[in-house]
Amino acid sequence: DAKTTQPPSMDCAEGRAANLPCNHSTISGNEYVYWYRQIHSQGPQYIIHGLKNNETNEMASLIITEDRKSSTLILPHATLRDTAVYYCIVRSQRYNTDKLIFGTGTRLQVFP
Amino acid sequence: GAVVSQHPSWVICKSGTSVKIECRSLDFQATTMFWYRQFPKQSLMLMATSNEGSKATYEQGVEKDKFLINHASLTLSTLTVTSAHPEDSSFYICSARDLGQGKTQYFGPGTRLLVL
Repeated sequence: DAKTTQPPSMDCAEGRAANLPCNHSTISGNEYVYWYRQIHSQGPQYIIHGLKNNETNEMASLIITEDRKSSTLILPHATLRDTAVYYCIVRSQRYNTDKLIFGTGTRLQVFP
Repeated sequence: GAVVSQHPSWVICKSGTSVKIECRSLDFQATTMFWYRQFPKQSLMLMATSNEGSKATYEQGVEKDKFLINHASLTLSTLTVTSAHPEDSSFYICSARDLGQGKTQYFGPGTRLLVL
């Protein structure tokens, strides 16, 4: 699976949009981009995933560049409860046993 | 999203004893489940892939005789830490893949193990 690069930490004011970048320059054609977050002492929570089109759900939006070498997770109106470590992971869906391998993620701190 | 549960949520045991952790997919069937371990201030590390009805596949460096995995049904996988030692103290997290949701993987809340 391709590796990802994320900034180690970011801050965001409550109510503002949080834009979390991720580089995945070695992504292959059949690999999806997944985003998870982990709030302290909890299991990771699925946020969103996409292949090449931009995606939006009730939690966030995912913007994937045309060359698919990077993406941005957007939390449109960050709240204090969005403080967490955010993981960007690329994974193929070819096989049921394809694994999610976690990197170090971005620690997002939302402040009042 | 789909729900994955773990039991117990935390456990304290004496060195040398064995501890079993259960992982259940509550509202979907999972032919594949995964077990992760997380030490303080570190990321999740994949330990093994659990396949229903067959042997688990362990990641490099993970002792299969130390961490026994059983995936006897489409909704239950268990991890048994045998002869636990203080260095096995960690946060153990399972996840299950929902084939009906584009193969999205959902995670349990984790089990915190403390070995004295």
